[in-house]
Amino acid sequence: QLQLQESGPGLVKPSETLSLTCTVSGGSISTSNYYWGWIRQPPGKGLEWIGSIFYSGNTYYYPSLKSRVTISLDTPNNQFSLNLNSVTAADTAVYYCARRRSGSFYDYWGQGTLVTVSS
Amino acid sequence: EVVLTQSPATLSLSPGERATLSCRAGQSIDNHLAWYQQKPGQAPRLLIYDASNRATGTPARFSGSGSGTDFTLTISSLEPEDFAVYFCQHRSDWPLTFGGGTKVEV
Repeated sequence: QLQLQESGPGLVKPSETLSLTCTVSGGSISTSNYYWGWIRQPPGKGLEWIGSIFYSGNTYYYPSLKSRVTISLDTPNNQFSLNLNSVTAADTAVYYCARRRSGSFYDYWGQGTLVTVSS
Repeated sequence: EVVLTQSPATLSLSPGERATLSCRAGQSIDNHLAWYQQKPGQAPRLLIYDASNRATGTPARFSGSGSGTDFTLTISSLEPEDFAVYFCQHRSDWPLTFGGGTKVEV
């Protein structure tokens, strides 16, 4: 059974960089034709897609976040990561990592981790 | 960017009643739409993919329909565990986007 688990600081200061890691178990992030993605949800609000990385390393980002976001693969450790720089209070959210097969939708999700941006 | 508009924002129903949720796309997305269910404190769960296919473990009371720009999620007879928030999402093109959600409440 595939499992995804987010980890990282729960509190980040404004203007700093938010860094999260998603550890995948029960399957390999190198498996062909899978995207590994990040989605966030501000408190009490809806879901916002941040971006995805294909197993081959190709990345896709939400346009309004593209200048601040980097998603990367750490194949030896079966992890992928999210870096979001120059954060503000508007980046406060529960951050989810998730998997989807090419041509399909997000079928496995992490439990989510709350990141608060505050001084 | 494909904008997905869900309606209504809130649906107040009783157990046993039928729920009809709408998701409208700003442009045609063929059948490249999914529905997710989210309960408080939990990650979303994939219910329906490609507009009308039930995901593994989705009860038969959930059905999806539509193509192009108009999509519907129907819950034929609400069970107590179905009261939750439902989101639609497309995969037609980058960027992926989600609808704003419909809360089904008692």
